[in-house]
Amino acid sequence: AQKVTQAQTEISVVEKEDVTLDCVYETRDTTYYLFWYKQPPSGELVFLIRRNSFDEQNEISGRYSWNFQKSTSSFNFTITASQVVDSAVYFCALSEAGGTSYGKLTFGQGTILTVHP
Amino acid sequence: ETGVTQSPTHLIKTRGQQVTLRCSSQSGHNTVSWYQQALGQGPQFIFQYYREEENGRGNFPPRFSGLQFPNYSSELNVNALELDDSALYLCASSFNTRGAEAFFGQGTRLTVV
Repeated sequence: AQKVTQAQTEISVVEKEDVTLDCVYETRDTTYYLFWYKQPPSGELVFLIRRNSFDEQNEISGRYSWNFQKSTSSFNFTITASQVVDSAVYFCALSEAGGTSYGKLTFGQGTILTVHP
Repeated sequence: ETGVTQSPTHLIKTRGQQVTLRCSSQSGHNTVSWYQQALGQGPQFIFQYYREEENGRGNFPPRFSGLQFPNYSSELNVNALELDDSALYLCASSFNTRGAEAFFGQGTRLTVV
């Protein structure tokens, strides 16, 4: 069975600091997809990125970057020069390619990020 | 905004009652998934509907049931409500393809008293 672990329950930083959110996953599938979602206080989960298991290239999007390492089953997320608006709960999630429930997501417990002015 | 809308946004029910939650999927998406998110936890997959049929189910009892309509909107029904059913219920719409991005609604906050 698949599992996603986000060991950091809460992180608190001061604006402009860099912060890395850790994510470790377990799966028996060789083909799978990894995601990061942001959940602001409004409750809606906002899609940030998707990575498939065959693409280990790191990705940068503005202040966000992602480091996917298959060897350690990790998919970490870094926010550079954090801002108060980055305060939210961040979820890492896994979707396996097998079966028929495409898009079924297994989520981690989430990391609460608080950015202080 | 994702285009996924859920109603109602908040609901208070008494233990033993039944509840129906509704979701309108994003235009063009043919798959709807429902998740339960308890306070301080990550969302848990309840089930998924594709072409009006259940297409996968998580570890939830049969009193959790659903429907999908021809326009791809969906309902989640919960019978015999228990206190532990208090949670945020999230609906996500997507295409039925491997690795498809799921777009979430704002959720329905259900409180069972």
